[in-house]
Amino acid sequence: QKEVEQDPGPLSVPEGAIVSLNCTYSNSAFQYFMWYRQYSRKGPELLMYTYSSGNKEDGRFTAQVDKSSKYISLFIRDSQPSDSATYLCAMSVGSSASKIIFGSGTRLSIRP
Amino acid sequence: DADVTQTPRNRITKTGKRIMLECSQTKGHDRMYWYRQDPGLGLRLIYYSFDVKDINKGEISDGYSVSRQAQAKFSLSLESAIPNQTALYFCATSDGGTVETQYFGPGTRLLVL
Repeated sequence: QKEVEQDPGPLSVPEGAIVSLNCTYSNSAFQYFMWYRQYSRKGPELLMYTYSSGNKEDGRFTAQVDKSSKYISLFIRDSQPSDSATYLCAMSVGSSASKIIFGSGTRLSIRP
Repeated sequence: DADVTQTPRNRITKTGKRIMLECSQTKGHDRMYWYRQDPGLGLRLIYYSFDVKDINKGEISDGYSVSRQAQAKFSLSLESAIPNQTALYFCATSDGGTVETQYFGPGTRLLVL
């Protein structure tokens, strides 16, 4: 069983819809939770991160962590065609990047 | 100009050949990483370096070696390439902050025949 599971998609939604992307994990020691966005033919870029449980909002994006269920989510409101990308969740026990475990990514397409 | 550059961007090679992938950064970061990305498996860490004299193995270092030539340069070598090393390879740097933010290069697409 992988430590981090992520539905690969693809997920296709119309412009303006609310998008929900999710990951589950098995290691209860994970404390740092991240979301990366990867455009086609590009490297991943950090979108946002949360520490421990709770929600974090940044513009149209909200990251949510439920440690009791070992489940994290990324919500995108008012989705735009420019949001079309692969979204990777990532998590780690400590803050060191050398210990980050990445999900396999969900491919998202926003239809105009 | 891009902060993290990788060369080559695409490479086709044959089984048994030695190949080197190069990474350069202008961000001034001490920490550098090499990952490979495979469909369904996500990003996996191959090697990382916290400074010029520090090299560490990651999750999947077998069949790979690295060299940190300078703070700004970190190269990855496949001594004898095999087909299951066909993948997308990414270099990244980080600032070593409280929550490390990694900055990825554009990737090298490698095909081993």
